[in-house]
Amino acid sequence: KQEVTQIPAALSVPEGENLVLNCSFTDSAIYNLQWFRQDPGKGLTSLLLIQSSQREQTSGRLNASLDKSSGRSTLYIAASQPGDSATYLCAVQGGANNLFFGTGTRLTVIP
Amino acid sequence: GAGVSQSPSNKVTEKGKDVELRCDPISGHTALYWYRQSLGQGLEFLIYFQGNSAPDKSGLPSDRFSAERTGGSVSTLTIQRTQQEDSAVYLCASSATSGLREQFFGPGTRLTVL
Repeated sequence: KQEVTQIPAALSVPEGENLVLNCSFTDSAIYNLQWFRQDPGKGLTSLLLIQSSQREQTSGRLNASLDKSSGRSTLYIAASQPGDSATYLCAVQGGANNLFFGTGTRLTVIP
Repeated sequence: GAGVSQSPSNKVTEKGKDVELRCDPISGHTALYWYRQSLGQGLEFLIYFQGNSAPDKSGLPSDRFSAERTGGSVSTLTIQRTQQEDSAVYLCASSATSGLREQFFGPGTRLTVL
């Protein structure tokens, strides 16, 4: 069974700092990988999706990379802002159709 | 609709009662998923629909849980004889079944079993 791990579990940074969130998965036979954001009491907002054939995707200040062979993905956030404070979830989709989620990284950006 | 919608947003029920949770997927999305997020735990998969059929029910935790989908659109997750451990946020997602297959999530239903 696919297992997804996210490190660190929590992270606090001062506003303006660049940061990296890490995700690792045990089965490299994936179809795609998604990064989500979850605000307290809210649903999930899709941030970036990387197909298995891709190495990275960028959206604004966000950049996600994928190294399928080593089972790793990173989410890079540039010039962090207080509005970036949320829980960030990594999820992989394999041969089965459902997503396997990590337990998330809770990010706090301090003004 | 513009996005995935779920109702109710909050549901408080007494132990032993049955509850129904509703999901309206994005128009045209043939794939629909139910997940559960329990306090202090990650998101776990419950069931997957392709059209009106459910080829993967492997995540349903017990036979008290069932789901159906009609008209290739709306889905209902039913929990019978609710228990306190059923308290969680139930999230629905939908996707296309080709191309990126990106999953889009609804806001969830927070279920509290007293």
